[in-house]
Amino acid sequence: EPEVTQTPSHQVTQMGQEVILRCVPISNHLYFYWYRQILGQKVEFLVSFYNNEISEKSEIFDDQFSVERPDGSNFTLKIRSTKLEDSAMYFCASSEDGAAKNIQYFGAGTRLSVL
Amino acid sequence: RKEVEQDPGPFNVPEGATVAFNCTYSNSASQSFFWYRQDCRKEPKLLMSVYSSGNEDGRFTAQLNRASQYISLLIRDSKLSDSATYLCVVTLNNQGGKLIFGQGTELSVKP
Repeated sequence: EPEVTQTPSHQVTQMGQEVILRCVPISNHLYFYWYRQILGQKVEFLVSFYNNEISEKSEIFDDQFSVERPDGSNFTLKIRSTKLEDSAMYFCASSEDGAAKNIQYFGAGTRLSVL
Repeated sequence: RKEVEQDPGPFNVPEGATVAFNCTYSNSASQSFFWYRQDCRKEPKLLMSVYSSGNEDGRFTAQLNRASQYISLLIRDSKLSDSATYLCVVTLNNQGGKLIFGQGTELSVKP
C-alpha cells in the first residue's frame, strides 16, 4: 500500500538553528500539506501546497517557515531559526486532489525537539 | 468558540461495551466530515468519512446532523484494540482541503 514517508523520525536541534523536515508524498498525489501537533494538543494545519506554490497557510506559518518541492518526489518544511515553542510532531500529508471530500494520508511524523 | 469541539474524555469502558463520541463544529459552511483515529504519538489515520445519511462500517456508525452542526461516532462491541484517541475532523469547501481537527477524545478499553 502506498504511503507517505517522513525523515527523520526524530530531530533534536538547538534554539536558533535551521531545520529541514523531509517528506515523500504518495506518488500520484498532487496536494501536499504540513500539520503540527504540540504534545497534548490538537493537530493544527500549517500549510497546503499545489502546483509548486502555497495554496493556503495558517497564522502559525510565519516568515520563519517555508516549504519547497525541490524535485519530483520530496516535499520539505524548513524552519529558519527554531524556537523552543516549535517543539512538536510535524506531520506531512498528501491527497490526490484538494477537494473537500478527498482523503488525506498522513506520514508517521517527525518529532522535533528544540533545546 | 472552538472550530471543532469534542467530548473531553477520557472514556474508560470494558470490552464489549458500546461507546458514543460527540462532536460539534462552529462553521456552518463546513462541507466534509471525518473521524480519524490516532494512537499514542502516531499519525492520524482515517477511520471513516461521515455522510448526511449516516453510514456504518462494521462496528462503527457515524451520524451527521447539519442543522445542529453535530457529528457522532458509535462503536459497538468495543475491543481492546479500539483504545486510541478519536479525532473529529471537518473541512471547508473553499479551503483547499485543509483539515480542521478537534482536540480528540481518548478511549481506553479494558479487559
